[in-house]
Amino acid sequence: AQSVTQLDSQVPVFEEAPVELRCNYSSSVSVYLFWYVQYPNQGLQLLLKYLSGSTLVKGINGFEAEFNKSQTSFHLRKPSVHISDTAEYFCAVSALAGALTFGSGTRLQVQP
Amino acid sequence: DAGITQSPRHKVTETGTPVTLRCHQTENHRYMYWYRQDPGHGLRLIHYSYGVKDTDKGEVSDGYSVSRSKTEDFLLTLESATSSQTSVYFCAISELADTDTQYFGPGTRLTVL
Repeated sequence: AQSVTQLDSQVPVFEEAPVELRCNYSSSVSVYLFWYVQYPNQGLQLLLKYLSGSTLVKGINGFEAEFNKSQTSFHLRKPSVHISDTAEYFCAVSALAGALTFGSGTRLQVQP
Repeated sequence: DAGITQSPRHKVTETGTPVTLRCHQTENHRYMYWYRQDPGHGLRLIHYSYGVKDTDKGEVSDGYSVSRSKTEDFLLTLESATSSQTSVYFCAISELADTDTQYFGPGTRLTVL
């Protein structure tokens, strides 16, 4: 069975500072990993995904993530955040029939 | 934006009442999913469908049933709502399993009093 752990429930950061949101997973099979973002009162939208190949994945809005198989991690990074990045971020791993197993989420709070 | 709508968007009901939530898609995608979102739990899978009349249980399926009689519609039914089913419910669709992006609807906020 797959599981996802997001260790930080909230991450406060100042505008234009770098940020890293941590995600660790466990899986007994090959994994496909995803990061989704949820803006207030909206559904989720895909930021990026890792399927295979290069371990550094670039996504939308300047975000990137690195797949580390030995550490079973898939941390999300952005070199310089904006106020508009304030949202909740979910790491997920693909499970049976493509259903996703999500982490509990990290709320990114960007302060001016 | 993927064409996914959910109805109703908000509902308040009483314990013991049956409730049906509807997810409608215009993308003709094969896979459809129902998740619930609760603070501290992220999203958890309730049921999913891999085709018309083909459905299966997810992690938190107790107290819920689903039906899919047409490709575009996936219904979630709470036979007898309980306060523990107060949550935000999201529908998602994807064309392929495993590797494909899932597209999410706007959500339904359900309150069971």
